[in-house]
Amino acid sequence: QQQVKQSPQSLIVQKGGISIINCAYENTAFDYFPWYQQFPGKGPALLIAIRPDVSEKKEGRFTISFNKSAKQFSLHIMDSQPGDSATYFCAASIADSSYKLIFGSGTRLLVRP
Amino acid sequence: DAGVIQSPRHEVTEMGQEVTLRCKPISGHNSLFWYRQTMMRGLELLIYFNNNVPIDDSGMPEDRFSAKMPNASFSTLKIQPSEPRDSAVYFCASSSTLNYGYTFGSGTRLTVV
Repeated sequence: QQQVKQSPQSLIVQKGGISIINCAYENTAFDYFPWYQQFPGKGPALLIAIRPDVSEKKEGRFTISFNKSAKQFSLHIMDSQPGDSATYFCAASIADSSYKLIFGSGTRLLVRP
Repeated sequence: DAGVIQSPRHEVTEMGQEVTLRCKPISGHNSLFWYRQTMMRGLELLIYFNNNVPIDDSGMPEDRFSAKMPNASFSTLKIQPSEPRDSAVYFCASSSTLNYGYTFGSGTRLTVV
């Protein structure tokens, strides 16, 4: 019940296209859903996050869509660029004193020029 | 702000040797997390501290692994004795209870031969 399931494992998109990565969870106590971006040789970096009281959050070309009833959330990257090529992780946590994040398995995105 | 600082960046050691990984969290952050990243298992939470106190070490794989946080600005993860299967990238992350975002360090790539 603590798992966060992420798909696809890898994704290839043409420059200018839309990249979509999906995640699903079981634990209804989760109340914070961030996405992290990781470049080779670097640590994951917070990209965008959402709480379950909203269904969508947009920051620039990055949008999180959240479906509370389906227990699913997704990351959409509009106008994908080669510089977006990285590994993306979804995560979830519960608002207790620890803020412990449970990560998905990651999606390796390649944006072709 | 220098971010989360980890050392060393790379460590190559022989099986059976003791390995110590170090982390300096962001000043003012009161939660610290140690993660291990491998291709097979993704990002695994090993242990986390809140206000320098270990809260959950259920992710520590074996008694060979130990972690300490003697003060708010320093933590260590020790493996004794090390084994080839411990080879991975080890990340330290910190966060503030004022928000949920983690800041990761650049990681330590450990190779046990």
